[in-house]
Amino acid sequence: DAKTTQPPSMDCAEGRAANLPCNHSTISGNEYVYWYRQIHSQGPQYIIHGLKNNETNEMASLIITEDRKSSTLILPHATLRDTAVYYCIVRVAERGGSNYKLTFGKGTLLTVNP
Amino acid sequence: GAGVSQSPRYKVAKRGQDVALRCDPISGHVSLFWYQQALGQGPEFLTYFQNEAQLDKSGLPSDRFFAERPEGSVSTLKIQRTQQEDSAVYLCASSPLYEQYFGPGTRLTVT
Repeated sequence: DAKTTQPPSMDCAEGRAANLPCNHSTISGNEYVYWYRQIHSQGPQYIIHGLKNNETNEMASLIITEDRKSSTLILPHATLRDTAVYYCIVRVAERGGSNYKLTFGKGTLLTVNP
Repeated sequence: GAGVSQSPRYKVAKRGQDVALRCDPISGHVSLFWYQQALGQGPEFLTYFQNEAQLDKSGLPSDRFFAERPEGSVSTLKIQRTQQEDSAVYLCASSPLYEQYFGPGTRLTVT
């Protein structure tokens, strides 16, 4: 799986949008971009994933550049409960693709301030 | 609905003791993963099951680590003769297709 690079930490004011960047310049054509987060003392939580099109769900939006070498996770209105470590992961997703492990880096610690 | 559950949540073992960590996945999820998370690090893959078959155990750090899922549902991770370096949070995840759903983890402390 391709390696990802994320800033170690970021701050965001409550109610503002949080934009978390991720570089994955060696991503392959069949690799998806996944985002997970881990709130202190909890297991990681799936947020969103995408291949090349922008994606949006109830939690966040994922913007992937046209060359797919980087992406941005957007939390539109950050709350204090969004304080967590955010992991950007690239992974092959084949048919029935649950059978592939996730390779976590160190992620970005997002701190949402009141 | 019910998520992934793990027990015990905390375990303290003396060096040399054997421990067993349990994972109850989400009903119907055929895929199950175990990860190990050291303090301040991201989770690291240990092993993967599809139903009862262990298809990948490449992440198990030594032959003291053993995992099973005999009926394709509940899984147990066993660590024999625990060492201090085994102290970590052990996470279980189950998956329906693309995303993985994680349990809260078991924090193992070896003294």
